[in-house]
Amino acid sequence: GQNIDQPTEMTATEGAIVQINCTYQTSGFNGLFWYQQHAGEAPTFLSYNVLDGLEEKGRFSSFLSRSKGYSYLLLKELQMKDSASYLCAVRPMFSGGYNKLIFGAGTRLAVHP
Amino acid sequence: GAGVSQSPSNKVTEKGKDVELRCDPISGHTALYWYRQSLGQGLEFLIYFQGNSAPDKSGLPSDRFSAERTGGSVSTLTIQRTQQEDSAVYLCASSPHSPYRGPGSGYTFGSGTRLTVV
Repeated sequence: GQNIDQPTEMTATEGAIVQINCTYQTSGFNGLFWYQQHAGEAPTFLSYNVLDGLEEKGRFSSFLSRSKGYSYLLLKELQMKDSASYLCAVRPMFSGGYNKLIFGAGTRLAVHP
Repeated sequence: GAGVSQSPSNKVTEKGKDVELRCDPISGHTALYWYRQSLGQGLEFLIYFQGNSAPDKSGLPSDRFSAERTGGSVSTLTIQRTQQEDSAVYLCASSPHSPYRGPGSGYTFGSGTRLTVV
C-alpha cells in the first residue's frame, strides 16, 4: 500500500531553523513535493525532489534519500508568516502512468516570537 | 484562466440535499483532480480526469458521489443525499499532462469549497 508519515505538529521560535521530516512507502517513486498551506487557503508549491540530495530555494531547502524513503523540509530564519501546514506528497510509479500525488496528513507548524 | 477557480467558496446545505461543486482548471492543463480535506486530516484523493474521461475514480467514497468534466475544461463534483460526514473542504487541482517530471509537473490547487452539511 501507500503510506506517507509526517509529524502532526511542531513549534519553533522566530529566527530559528526547523526541520520537518517525511517518510514514505509507495509503489515505486517518481518525485516528491512539499506544499505549504495556510489556514483556509489552497496548498501552494514549495519544492520538488526526484534525485537524492538537497534542493535549496532561498530560506527553504528540501532533502531526499530514495533508498531510505525519507525527505525533509528545512526552513531557515523562521518568520511568523511561516506558521502554516506543510504537506509532503509523493508521486508513485503506476503501471498506468499518470500524475497522481499521494499526500501525507500534513505538519502544522506554529512559529512563536 | 490564470489559476484554478472553484465555486462556491462556501456551501451550507441540509442533510439529504444534493450539491454541485464546480472547478475551472488552468487553461491547457489536461489533468484535473478532486481531493477532499476533512478537519485535521490529509488530502484524500477522490477522482482524476484526463481530458473528459476519468481513468481513476477509486477515491469516490460512495455511489452518492459523482463527477464529470466537459470540453476538457470545467468539472463538476456532485454529492447526492448529503450526509454530515460529507462536511469537508473539497479541493480541485490541475496539472499538465506530461512530462511527469520536474517541479512544474506538480499540482496547482484551487482555494476549495468548504461544504457544511447541517
